Amino acid sequence: EAGVAQSPRYKIIEKRQSVAFWCNPISGHATLYWYQQILGQGPKLLIQFQNNGVVDDSQLPKDRFSAERLKGVDSTLKIQPAKLEDSAVYLCASSRARDTEAFFGQGTRLTVV
Amino acid sequence: SQKIEQNSEALNIQEGKTATLTCNYTNYSPAYLQWYRQDPGRGPVFLLLIRENEKEKRKERLKVTFDTTLKQSLFHITASQPADSATYLCAPRGTGFQKLVFGTGTRLLVSP
Repeated sequence: EAGVAQSPRYKIIEKRQSVAFWCNPISGHATLYWYQQILGQGPKLLIQFQNNGVVDDSQLPKDRFSAERLKGVDSTLKIQPAKLEDSAVYLCASSRARDTEAFFGQGTRLTVV
Repeated sequence: SQKIEQNSEALNIQEGKTATLTCNYTNYSPAYLQWYRQDPGRGPVFLLLIRENEKEKRKERLKVTFDTTLKQSLFHITASQPADSATYLCAPRGTGFQKLVFGTGTRLLVSP
């Protein structure tokens, strides 16, 4: 089966600009996750969806980050405006159910200058 | 608050030895625990899942233990190889709509 697709792979923006990341999960996977991973640290959960509903977004900086999951399939994560500390890899993952293994995409490396 | 702790320092071992990585958690009562492997520039890859009623789980050269009293999981790689060099992440998880949260990860370096 096809894996989790993410785009773009790399993005460089200036601070205060906006950016959007796209994720296409594995077909049939109900649960979708977005993570932020700063170099040398573990992935930090930003938001978790179950179908198109939000399960947890307690770590999402809602003043600048937003995410949606269209019709319970694709998802976009947006940052507006970006700060220097947002430089990180943004990982999307999906799982068939809420308690099964998660499959990750390759991530988007964001550099804010 | 909930906390997941893994050794932040890299673990250096020689090829052929057994690597043991630790995952400690606090303020959690996980129903199961997952282990993932992450290579540089790539997303994590699932390795093993162990449930709270299982003391031990094995898969090829991998072995995971789960002690709910100590609130700890140990991850062992026997007969380690340089190809095992990677960062290993643990994720304790409850039932229901529980979020998937990872520890900080431990980097393993296996030298020939």
